[in-house]
Amino acid sequence: AQSVTQPDIHITVSEGASLELRCNYSYGATPYLFWYVQSPGQGLQLLLKYFSGDTLVQGIKGFEAEFKRSQSSFNLRKPSVHWSDAAEYFCAVGARVGNTPLVFGKGTRLSVIA
Amino acid sequence: NAGVTQTPKFQVLKTGQSMTLQCAQDMNHEYMSWYRQDPGMGLRLIHYSVGAGITDQGEVPNGYNVSRSTTEDFPLRLLSAAPSQTSVYFCASSRSKTFSGNTIYFGEGSWLTVV
Repeated sequence: AQSVTQPDIHITVSEGASLELRCNYSYGATPYLFWYVQSPGQGLQLLLKYFSGDTLVQGIKGFEAEFKRSQSSFNLRKPSVHWSDAAEYFCAVGARVGNTPLVFGKGTRLSVIA
Repeated sequence: NAGVTQTPKFQVLKTGQSMTLQCAQDMNHEYMSWYRQDPGMGLRLIHYSVGAGITDQGEVPNGYNVSRSTTEDFPLRLLSAAPSQTSVYFCASSRSKTFSGNTIYFGEGSWLTVV
């Protein structure tokens, strides 16, 4: 079964600074990889996903993520953070074989300061 | 564009009461699932279904029942509510059993408090 780790529980960045949120996964092959964002009191919104092909994936709201097979990572990046990016971010892993649903990391809460 | 609809959005229950969280999707998705979200725990899978009449347990199934009598609906039943079931519940759906090329759609969540 797949698993995912988000090492950072909480990150604080200044508005305009760059951002990188870490995600490491464990799976026997190349998984499907996702990043979701959740604003307070809201549901989950898909930011981007990796299925195959180009390992640098562009998403909504100016986010991108890079799949690195050698490091089993799928880190989320944004070059310049806006105050509205403050939210909780979840990395998720899907298996390519079988019916196992998505497995989520525990999330990283992003705070943005002026 | 209804997508995945969860009801109720907020609910307060007394310990020992039973209730059903409703989930409906209008996208003809085969795959539906229920997650619960707790602080610092992320989303944990409760039950899932790969089609009408087929359900399976996830990571934290105890205290919950599900059924899938139609493609559209996937209700989650709390048999005898306990304070440990205080959580936010999310229903999700996807077009097929695998995720290849498919997006997972989430409902807006149901906030449940058991007192």
